[in-house]
Amino acid sequence: GEDVEQSLFLSVREGDSSVINCTYTDSSSTYLYWYKQEPGAGLQLLTYIFSNMDMKQDQRLTVLLNKKDKHLSLRIADTQTGDSAIYFCAGWPIQTGANNLFFGTGTRLTVIP
Amino acid sequence: DVKVTQSSRYLVKRTGEKVFLECVQDMDHENMFWYRQDPGLGLRLIYFSYDVKMKEKGDIPEGYSVSREKKERFSLILESASTNQTSMYLCASSKGGNEQFFGPGTRLTVL
Repeated sequence: GEDVEQSLFLSVREGDSSVINCTYTDSSSTYLYWYKQEPGAGLQLLTYIFSNMDMKQDQRLTVLLNKKDKHLSLRIADTQTGDSAIYFCAGWPIQTGANNLFFGTGTRLTVIP
Repeated sequence: DVKVTQSSRYLVKRTGEKVFLECVQDMDHENMFWYRQDPGLGLRLIYFSYDVKMKEKGDIPEGYSVSREKKERFSLILESASTNQTSMYLCASSKGGNEQFFGPGTRLTVL
Protein backbone atom coordinates (compact mmCIF):
# COMPACT_ATOMS: atom_id res chain seq x y z
CA GLY A 1 0.00 0.00 0.00
CA GLU A 2 0.88 3.62 -0.01
CA ASP A 3 2.44 5.53 2.87
CA VAL A 4 1.06 9.00 3.41
CA GLU A 5 2.73 11.21 6.01
CA GLN A 6 1.65 14.41 7.70
CA SER A 7 2.90 16.38 10.66
CA LEU A 8 0.62 15.87 13.64
CA PHE A 9 0.06 19.41 14.88
CA LEU A 10 -0.14 22.97 13.57
CA SER A 11 -1.06 26.16 15.42
CA VAL A 12 -1.80 29.47 13.74
CA ARG A 13 -3.30 32.79 14.78
CA GLU A 14 -6.72 33.79 13.55
CA GLY A 15 -6.44 35.71 10.29
CA ASP A 16 -3.10 34.17 9.30
CA SER A 17 -2.68 31.58 6.57
CA SER A 18 -2.32 27.90 7.44
CA VAL A 19 -0.31 25.46 5.36
CA ILE A 20 -0.80 21.76 5.96
CA ASN A 21 1.67 19.45 4.26
CA CYS A 22 1.49 15.85 3.12
CA THR A 23 4.00 13.54 1.47
CA TYR A 24 3.21 10.25 -0.19
CA THR A 25 5.28 7.37 -1.50
CA ASP A 26 3.28 5.99 -4.41
CA SER A 27 3.26 8.19 -7.49
CA SER A 28 0.38 6.24 -9.01
CA SER A 29 -2.18 8.11 -6.92
CA THR A 30 -4.38 9.72 -9.50
CA TYR A 31 -6.72 11.53 -7.15
CA LEU A 32 -5.52 13.28 -4.00
CA TYR A 33 -8.00 14.45 -1.40
CA TRP A 34 -8.18 16.68 1.63
CA TYR A 35 -10.70 15.78 4.31
CA LYS A 36 -11.66 17.78 7.41
CA GLN A 37 -12.78 16.23 10.68
CA GLU A 38 -14.39 18.50 13.21
CA PRO A 39 -14.48 17.43 16.88
CA GLY A 40 -16.76 14.47 17.46
CA ALA A 41 -17.67 14.11 13.80
CA GLY A 42 -16.82 12.00 10.77
CA LEU A 43 -14.69 13.17 7.86
CA GLN A 44 -15.96 15.60 5.26
CA LEU A 45 -14.38 16.08 1.87
CA LEU A 46 -12.93 19.58 1.51
CA THR A 47 -11.36 19.43 -1.91
CA TYR A 48 -9.47 17.18 -4.26
CA ILE A 49 -6.97 17.47 -7.09
CA PHE A 50 -6.18 15.29 -10.06
CA SER A 51 -2.59 14.23 -10.46
CA ASN A 52 -2.32 16.05 -13.80
CA MET A 53 -2.88 19.39 -12.04
CA ASP A 54 -0.39 21.52 -10.12
CA MET A 55 -2.80 23.75 -8.30
CA LYS A 56 -6.45 24.07 -7.47
CA GLN A 57 -8.11 27.01 -5.76
CA ASP A 58 -11.51 26.98 -4.10
CA GLN A 59 -12.39 30.15 -2.17
CA ARG A 60 -10.04 30.22 0.85
CA LEU A 61 -8.49 26.86 0.01
CA THR A 62 -5.51 26.35 -2.28
CA VAL A 63 -4.13 22.90 -3.03
CA LEU A 64 -0.62 22.59 -4.44
CA LEU A 65 0.74 19.37 -5.87
CA ASN A 66 4.43 18.74 -6.55
CA LYS A 67 4.49 15.37 -8.26
CA LYS A 68 8.26 15.29 -8.56
CA ASP A 69 8.66 15.55 -4.79
CA LYS A 70 5.41 13.65 -4.07
CA HIS A 71 4.27 16.55 -1.92
CA LEU A 72 0.76 17.87 -1.46
CA SER A 73 -0.20 20.94 0.53
CA LEU A 74 -3.39 22.65 1.63
CA ARG A 75 -3.31 26.38 2.24
CA ILE A 76 -6.16 28.00 4.15
CA ALA A 77 -6.23 31.78 3.76
CA ASP A 78 -7.55 34.02 6.55
CA THR A 79 -7.81 31.11 8.97
CA GLN A 80 -10.81 31.27 11.30
CA THR A 81 -11.51 29.56 14.62
CA GLY A 82 -14.05 27.40 12.80
CA ASP A 83 -11.18 25.93 10.80
CA SER A 84 -9.85 24.22 13.93
CA ALA A 85 -10.07 20.53 13.09
CA ILE A 86 -8.03 17.52 12.00
CA TYR A 87 -7.11 17.55 8.32
CA PHE A 88 -6.37 14.32 6.46
CA CYS A 89 -4.81 13.95 3.06
CA ALA A 90 -5.64 10.80 1.11
CA GLY A 91 -4.66 9.28 -2.20
CA TRP A 92 -6.40 6.93 -4.58
CA PRO A 93 -3.98 4.85 -6.66
CA ILE A 94 -6.44 4.18 -9.45
CA GLN A 95 -3.95 2.26 -11.58
CA THR A 96 -3.71 -0.48 -8.98
CA GLY A 97 -7.43 -1.14 -9.31
CA ALA A 98 -7.88 -0.46 -5.63
CA ASN A 99 -11.19 0.91 -4.44
CA ASN A 100 -9.84 2.16 -1.14
CA LEU A 101 -8.06 5.39 -0.29
CA PHE A 102 -4.80 5.66 1.63
CA PHE A 103 -5.03 8.19 4.43
CA GLY A 104 -2.36 10.19 6.20
CA THR A 105 -2.11 10.37 9.96
CA GLY A 106 -3.97 13.68 10.09
CA THR A 107 -2.83 17.16 11.15
CA ARG A 108 -4.60 18.79 14.07
CA LEU A 109 -4.95 22.49 13.28
CA THR A 110 -5.49 24.79 16.24
CA VAL A 111 -6.49 28.37 15.52
CA ILE A 112 -5.61 30.80 18.28
CA PRO A 113 -8.02 33.76 18.60
CA ASP B 1 -27.11 14.32 -0.17
CA VAL B 2 -25.37 11.11 0.68
CA LYS B 3 -26.08 9.97 4.16
CA VAL B 4 -24.05 7.43 6.07
CA THR B 5 -25.40 6.56 9.49
CA GLN B 6 -23.89 4.50 12.26
CA SER B 7 -25.99 2.76 14.87
CA SER B 8 -24.39 4.32 17.93
CA ARG B 9 -22.31 7.41 18.67
CA TYR B 10 -20.97 6.00 21.94
CA LEU B 11 -20.74 2.43 23.12
CA VAL B 12 -19.31 0.89 26.28
CA LYS B 13 -18.71 -2.85 26.40
CA ARG B 14 -16.91 -5.30 28.63
CA THR B 15 -13.93 -7.45 27.70
CA GLY B 16 -15.08 -10.65 26.01
CA GLU B 17 -18.44 -9.33 24.84
CA LYS B 18 -19.53 -9.65 21.24
CA VAL B 19 -19.99 -6.23 19.68
CA PHE B 20 -21.89 -5.25 16.55
CA LEU B 21 -21.35 -1.91 14.85
CA GLU B 22 -23.86 -1.15 12.12
CA CYS B 23 -23.49 1.20 9.18
CA VAL B 24 -26.14 2.13 6.64
CA GLN B 25 -25.82 4.26 3.50
CA ASP B 26 -28.67 5.54 1.36
CA MET B 27 -26.98 6.25 -1.98
CA ASP B 28 -26.71 2.79 -3.51
CA HIS B 29 -22.91 2.81 -3.22
CA GLU B 30 -21.09 -0.38 -4.10
CA ASN B 31 -18.18 0.12 -1.75
CA MET B 32 -18.28 0.31 2.01
CA PHE B 33 -15.43 0.58 4.48
CA TRP B 34 -14.68 0.26 8.17
CA TYR B 35 -11.79 2.23 9.67
CA ARG B 36 -10.55 2.74 13.15
CA GLN B 37 -9.06 6.06 14.16
CA ASP B 38 -6.49 6.38 16.92
CA PRO B 39 -4.48 9.45 17.95
CA GLY B 40 -1.26 9.74 16.00
CA LEU B 41 -2.12 6.78 13.76
CA GLY B 42 -4.73 8.37 11.53
CA LEU B 43 -7.28 6.12 9.84
CA ARG B 44 -6.49 2.47 9.46
CA LEU B 45 -8.59 0.29 7.22
CA ILE B 46 -10.05 -2.78 8.91
CA TYR B 47 -12.22 -4.29 6.17
CA PHE B 48 -13.97 -3.16 3.06
CA SER B 49 -16.63 -4.56 0.78
CA TYR B 50 -17.16 -3.85 -2.91
CA ASP B 51 -20.40 -5.78 -3.28
CA VAL B 52 -23.03 -7.67 -1.35
CA LYS B 53 -21.53 -10.70 0.41
CA MET B 54 -18.03 -9.67 -0.70
CA LYS B 55 -15.36 -8.57 1.73
CA GLU B 56 -11.69 -7.78 1.64
CA LYS B 57 -9.24 -7.47 4.52
CA GLY B 58 -7.72 -4.10 5.10
CA ASP B 59 -4.56 -3.32 7.01
CA ILE B 60 -5.68 -4.45 10.48
CA PRO B 61 -8.39 -7.14 10.22
CA GLU B 62 -7.28 -9.21 13.21
CA GLY B 63 -9.94 -9.46 15.88
CA TYR B 64 -12.69 -8.23 13.54
CA SER B 65 -15.12 -9.68 11.06
CA VAL B 66 -17.71 -8.08 8.79
CA SER B 67 -21.02 -8.86 7.20
CA ARG B 68 -22.68 -7.40 4.14
CA GLU B 69 -25.98 -9.12 3.47
CA LYS B 70 -27.60 -6.07 1.86
CA LYS B 71 -26.04 -3.40 -0.31
CA GLU B 72 -26.90 -0.56 2.03
CA ARG B 73 -25.68 -2.16 5.26
CA PHE B 74 -22.18 -3.10 6.39
CA SER B 75 -21.64 -4.50 9.86
CA LEU B 76 -18.42 -4.71 11.84
CA ILE B 77 -18.26 -7.47 14.44
CA LEU B 78 -15.90 -7.83 17.35
CA GLU B 79 -16.27 -11.48 18.30
CA SER B 80 -14.67 -11.03 21.72
CA ALA B 81 -13.94 -7.41 22.54
CA SER B 82 -10.60 -6.54 24.08
CA THR B 83 -9.35 -3.32 25.68
CA ASN B 84 -7.01 -2.64 22.74
CA GLN B 85 -10.08 -2.33 20.54
CA THR B 86 -11.12 0.83 22.37
CA SER B 87 -11.16 3.34 19.55
CA MET B 88 -13.23 5.53 17.24
CA TYR B 89 -14.76 3.48 14.43
CA LEU B 90 -15.64 5.18 11.17
CA CYS B 91 -17.74 3.78 8.38
CA ALA B 92 -17.56 5.12 4.82
CA SER B 93 -19.09 4.39 1.44
CA SER B 94 -18.18 5.26 -2.12
CA LYS B 95 -19.21 4.69 -5.70
CA GLY B 96 -16.26 3.32 -7.61
CA GLY B 97 -12.98 4.45 -6.11
CA ASN B 98 -13.89 8.05 -5.81
CA GLU B 99 -14.84 10.26 -2.89
CA GLN B 100 -15.67 8.43 0.30
CA PHE B 101 -18.57 9.63 2.42
CA PHE B 102 -18.19 9.09 6.13
CA GLY B 103 -20.55 8.42 8.97
CA PRO B 104 -20.27 10.35 12.26
CA GLY B 105 -18.28 7.61 13.97
CA THR B 106 -18.82 5.32 16.94
CA ARG B 107 -16.61 5.80 19.96
CA LEU B 108 -16.22 2.35 21.49
CA THR B 109 -14.82 1.86 24.97
CA VAL B 110 -13.99 -1.67 26.11
CA LEU B 111 -13.60 -2.01 29.87
